[in-house]
Amino acid sequence: GQQLNQSPQSMFIQEGEDVSMNCTSSSIFNTWLWYKQDPGEGPVLLIALYKAGELTSNGRLTAQFGTTRKDSFLNISASIPSDVGIYFCAGQIVGSQGNLIFGKGTKLSVKP
Amino acid sequence: DAGVTQSPTHLIKTRGQQVTLRCSPKSGHDTVSWYQQALGQGPQFIFQYYEEEERQRGNFPDRFSGHQFPNYSSELNVNALLLGDSALYLCASSLNLGEGEKLFFGSGTQLSVL
Repeated sequence: GQQLNQSPQSMFIQEGEDVSMNCTSSSIFNTWLWYKQDPGEGPVLLIALYKAGELTSNGRLTAQFGTTRKDSFLNISASIPSDVGIYFCAGQIVGSQGNLIFGKGTKLSVKP
Repeated sequence: DAGVTQSPTHLIKTRGQQVTLRCSPKSGHDTVSWYQQALGQGPQFIFQYYEEEERQRGNFPDRFSGHQFPNYSSELNVNALLLGDSALYLCASSLNLGEGEKLFFGSGTQLSVL
């Protein structure tokens, strides 16, 4: 089946640093979504991307839909302790409504 | 505005038993999807319900079945439970737009099979 490679698997950063993570796919996606999941909770939608090349921001978060439609990245600027959690990318193939393919997640830890 | 609600939050069952999990979608949403999340993994798609019918299905056996009610709420049923069914089961709701849906997730039901 389709696979999403998400990297890095984990990150330890100092508070105030910028963070970058990315996902690559073997398939072309028509939608990329980025989620954050805290322990014991469901994933929370951060950013949704619908067009190749699209760059979208949500506060300190910025995500881009790669021009090949097989990749996406998420940047977090000036990280703060509440950014701790697991970040997931998810992609959707044309015609596969509801069937999001998730990466394995990037675990972010912030040192105060 | 209530988000996606799931019940129960935790459940313990033994092998061979059957379980039913419940989900109420976010207000205004008409589509419900179910995902299984094993420890340390990303969620995996089980199936999606729209207009009370299963519209898409992932790579899960027939032991996994579901239902959607006229009020858009949904149930996930798992028969003949296996140890490997232990996971966080997530419900996600969305508004059917054809393409480019935004899925909003509930907090999940943590199922432990002993």
